[in-house]
Amino acid sequence: DAGITQSPRHKVTETGTPVTLRCHQTENHRYMYWYRQDPGHGLRLIHYSYGVKDTDKGEVSDGYSVSRSKTEDFLLTLESATSSQTSVYFCAIASVSGGTASTDTQYFGPGTRLTVL
Amino acid sequence: AQSVSQHNHHVILSEAASLELGCNYSYGGTVNLFWYVQYPGQHLQLLLKYFSGDPLVKGIKGFEAEFIKSKFSFNLRKPSVQWSDTAEYFCAVNPSLGSQGNLIFGKGTKLSVKP
Repeated sequence: DAGITQSPRHKVTETGTPVTLRCHQTENHRYMYWYRQDPGHGLRLIHYSYGVKDTDKGEVSDGYSVSRSKTEDFLLTLESATSSQTSVYFCAIASVSGGTASTDTQYFGPGTRLTVL
Repeated sequence: AQSVSQHNHHVILSEAASLELGCNYSYGGTVNLFWYVQYPGQHLQLLLKYFSGDPLVKGIKGFEAEFIKSKFSFNLRKPSVQWSDTAEYFCAVNPSLGSQGNLIFGKGTKLSVKP
């Protein structure tokens, strides 16, 4: 257990509404990631953060924004949810033991199942 | 673009059978390699990882994987599966240079073990 919680765990919303998912960690890890998981696609990176207020885009960032105002929280926002954003969203953290995130392991949160009607 | 291929979409085995799940990646430089497991309804858990050294890596629950650099492969093995190994298995690659740790995942292999 890497001390990661995600909220909400389940959410049903309607097309066009804004949605914010929260990832919270308790162990002061520098790197945080948001992935989405869809059948037949594995996990795909949406956005990641390498420090407070430092974020960057991943493979499938269109329609999503993120914010990280504190080390422990990484928020994912769907500005106007669409049915194609129905998915399971996983947050991950990486502690940096070797100096860069590429030399450590990512640990995943429990996930948020989002349904957009 | 970098990619990870898991050629088996769904594998069905009987208990005590041996398991080998294939994983190939397309990246010419140094990589870090991972296998994750996702039990039904749960989050991803790390099975094992390879960063450097002995290419035969042992993980939890009796799993092991072998890194063959010349084949760009990192296949997962277990000599005797159990019903409790029923899960989805994901291979992931992290290019170790110039990376912010972003993982590239394969599409996953579902393993069903019949009791």
